Amino acid sequence: GDSVTQMEGPVTLSEEAFLTINCTYTATGYPSLFWYVQYPGEGLQLLLKATKADDKGSNKGFEATYRKETTSFHLEKGSVQVSDSAVYFCALSEEAGTALIFGKGTTLSVSS
Amino acid sequence: DTGVSQDPRHKITKRGQNVTFRCDPISEHNRLYWYRQTLGQGPEFLTYFQNEAQLEKSRLLSDRFSAERPKGSFSTLEIQRTEQGDSAMYLCASTGTGVYSYNEQFFGPGTRLTVL
Repeated sequence: GDSVTQMEGPVTLSEEAFLTINCTYTATGYPSLFWYVQYPGEGLQLLLKATKADDKGSNKGFEATYRKETTSFHLEKGSVQVSDSAVYFCALSEEAGTALIFGKGTTLSVSS
Repeated sequence: DTGVSQDPRHKITKRGQNVTFRCDPISEHNRLYWYRQTLGQGPEFLTYFQNEAQLEKSRLLSDRFSAERPKGSFSTLEIQRTEQGDSAMYLCASTGTGVYSYNEQFFGPGTRLTVL
């Protein structure tokens, strides 16, 4: 079945450092790909998405590119802030509006 | 606030008891989802509805679990004869047509269940 694998955490960075969180997927079709974020004490929020190969999703300085050839959707940010400390989840859905399949999540901790 | 709401936020129960959770989706969203999240894991899909019709159920949804959305608005998730392994955060999400894209599911704050 479909699955999502993301890098183990926690990831600990200093403010203004470059961030990469790796995500790869297994799917039978052409899924849509997502990054969700969970800030401390808050619910899951959509951070960015990409619905077809080579699409780049971006939001709040974060970017991820849908790479079909490597089945990857790595999350990047050029300069992290303390306020980016959160748990990040990579996810896919085979078809719009159907179940999301999540990775295990990566905890990011940014210190000043 | 017009987001997804869930009630209760926390529930502590004894093994063997029945529990029921409620989810109120964003108004006019026609799809509603239930997920379960255990510590250190990502959310796992349980079931989803389009209006009042239950369109898909995960194999994780054992016979002790039942979900309803009787009028196509709020939904309930009932767990009968709870077990300690049911302890988790139960998340609800919704999405819909019109200005809302099916590609964005909006999540509620969750109901944390602890089975003693």
